Amino acid sequence: NAGVTQTPKFQVLKTGQSMTLQCAQDMNHNSMYWYRQDPGMGLRLIYYSASEGTTDKGEVPNGYNVSRLNKREFSLRLESAAPSQTSVYFCASSEVEDTQYFGPGTRLTVL
Amino acid sequence: EDQVTQSPEALRLQEGESSSLNCSYTVSGLRGLFWYRQDPGKGPEFLFTLYSAGEEKEKERLKATLTKKESFLHITAPKPEDSATYLCAVQTPGGYNKLIFGAGTRLAVHP
Repeated sequence: NAGVTQTPKFQVLKTGQSMTLQCAQDMNHNSMYWYRQDPGMGLRLIYYSASEGTTDKGEVPNGYNVSRLNKREFSLRLESAAPSQTSVYFCASSEVEDTQYFGPGTRLTVL
Repeated sequence: EDQVTQSPEALRLQEGESSSLNCSYTVSGLRGLFWYRQDPGKGPEFLFTLYSAGEEKEKERLKATLTKKESFLHITAPKPEDSATYLCAVQTPGGYNKLIFGAGTRLAVHP
């Protein structure tokens, strides 16, 4: 069981470039989440998918889009990266009302 | 506004010196309180869930307790391998598995 996997581990972008962060889980969970983690702040929810075929905004959705590709995969896209999006991004999954399990993170720098 | 505050921000202990980390919360309704451990460069790793005041959970040198306004993570006779950032998160009613995270406590245990 790999749990939650994320790719890439590190990425450097220039302002205005786009990229997609990939996340996959093998725990057969229905719900998946994208968070960002910034120094001195708690993890903040960007988007979530309560079940396959649904996505909803979280606390800080501006500048991001998501796709729930299937039950296993949930991707996060930055259409036009900005320096304010420099952060560490974590994907998580859970059963609907249960413990969230996190991936190893993607460290993104936008220059 | 729902809020989770962790204290202290950082804690330095000598090996074997017991202490407690605090997580205080003000939320509209508590469904559960989660503790996670996060090592540098890694994703949060689940430790405990507490659901009601008076509940306690233990794992090795860690014990988590819950009251109506706060939770404590007690660390007994810590070892250097307990060094990590400990995150607290509160699950609130919201139509989905919504977690509000504190900023964490960075624990360093020195031999």
